Amino acid sequence: DGGITQSPKYLFRKEGQNVTLSCEQNLNHDAMYWYRQDPGQGLRLIYYSQIVNDFQKGDIAEGYSVSREKKESFPLTVTSAQKNPTAFYLCASSAGLAGVWQFFGPGTRLTVL
Amino acid sequence: AQSVSQHNHHVILSEAASLELGCNYSYGGTVNLFWYVQYPGQHLQLLLKYFSGDPLVKGIKGFEAEFIKSKFSFNLRKPSVQWSDTAEYFCAVNAPNNNDMRFGAGTRLTVKP
Repeated sequence: DGGITQSPKYLFRKEGQNVTLSCEQNLNHDAMYWYRQDPGQGLRLIYYSQIVNDFQKGDIAEGYSVSREKKESFPLTVTSAQKNPTAFYLCASSAGLAGVWQFFGPGTRLTVL
Repeated sequence: AQSVSQHNHHVILSEAASLELGCNYSYGGTVNLFWYVQYPGQHLQLLLKYFSGDPLVKGIKGFEAEFIKSKFSFNLRKPSVQWSDTAEYFCAVNAPNNNDMRFGAGTRLTVKP
C-alpha cells in the first residue's frame, strides 16, 4: 500500500534532549512537509522540501532541523532550543508544485517531560 | 503571505441538521483551496479541492464547497449531517506553483445522534 509512515506514534523525552521524528513515504512524491498541530491553532508549517537536498523554513522553524538525503525520507529533529516542543507532529507529501494536494501521515505525539 | 480564517471553533449539531462551516482567506491572487477532515484517531485526509472552473465543488461523503471570489470565501456545506461526520475540519489555501500550504485553525464538529 502506498502512503506515509511516521514513527513512533508516541514519543516521550526529557527536557534538554534532542529527538528525531521519522517520516517515510513510498508515493514517489517530490515534496515533503512537517507541520505542528496544537489545539485551536490548526497546522503550522515547520519545514518543507521540494526536492532532495533542499528544504525551506516554514513559519515556526526555530528550534527544529531537517534533512532530505533521500526522496522518500524527511526526518525532523526537535532540538533542545525549541521552547515548547510538546505537540502533535504531522508529516505530509505531495507530488510537486502547482495544483496538488497533500497526503498526511498518522502523526507523532511528542511529550517532553 | 496568505492566511486562512475559520470562524467557528466548535459546532454542535443534531443528526439531519444542515451544516455550513465558514472559511475566508487573505490572498489577492489565484489560489487553490482545500478542505481536509480529521476523524477521531485517523489521518488528516482530503475532503474536496478547488483549482479552477465551476466554483461549486463536490467532495466525498456528500460534502460540497462554494468558492466566492469576491468574498474570498470557500465555505463547506452538507445538507444533512450524520453522527459519523463528527470530526475536525480544516480549510487550507495555497497559491499555484507554491508548496506553501496555509491551514486554518480548524473547526470541531460534533454531531449528536
